[in-house]
Amino acid sequence: GDSVTQMEGPVTLSEEAFLTINCTYTATGYPSLFWYVQYPGEGLQLLLKATKADDKGSNKGFEATYRKETTSFHLEKGSVQVSDSAVYFCALSPEATAGGKLIFGQGTELSVKP
Amino acid sequence: DVKVTQSSRYLVKRTGEKVFLECVQDMDHENMFWYRQDPGLGLRLIYFSYDVKMKEKGDIPEGYSVSREKKERFSLILESASTNQTSMYLCASRTDRGNQPQHFGDGTRLSIL
Repeated sequence: GDSVTQMEGPVTLSEEAFLTINCTYTATGYPSLFWYVQYPGEGLQLLLKATKADDKGSNKGFEATYRKETTSFHLEKGSVQVSDSAVYFCALSPEATAGGKLIFGQGTELSVKP
Repeated sequence: DVKVTQSSRYLVKRTGEKVFLECVQDMDHENMFWYRQDPGLGLRLIYFSYDVKMKEKGDIPEGYSVSREKKERFSLILESASTNQTSMYLCASRTDRGNQPQHFGDGTRLSIL
């Protein structure tokens, strides 16, 4: 069945460091791919999305490119801030799925130190 | 902005009680979802609904039921709460139009004693 695998956390970085959180998926066809972020005590917020191969999603300095050949959707940011500390979830919506169901990775906790 | 509102942020109940978690969205979305979130397991889909009075089981429906009598409201019911249902519960909604994302509420942290 369809699945999402994220790199395990927690990830601890210093402010202004480069961030990569790896995400790979297993799915048939062309799923839509998403990154969500969860700040402490809050629900999930959409960070970015990509709906077809080679699409690049971007928001708030974060980027991810839909790579069909490697079934990956890695999240990157050039210079992280303390305010980026949160849990990040990679998710996919299978092609032609009823209602737009999402399958989530297990989440990666990011901690950014001043 | 889409607003998904969950009725309680924190809830404490006892084993065997019938528990209701309520979720309301204000964007006339067709689809609504209930997930539970546990450390190391990510989010797992319990039930979803694609229309009023329509529901489908997700990956972990056992011990839960749902109700959608009005388009804006989706209720999750724990028929007889057990300690292994202690978790964070997240509600989401989504339009049927285009490749749109799901929008989430702030979650209900439920403890079953």
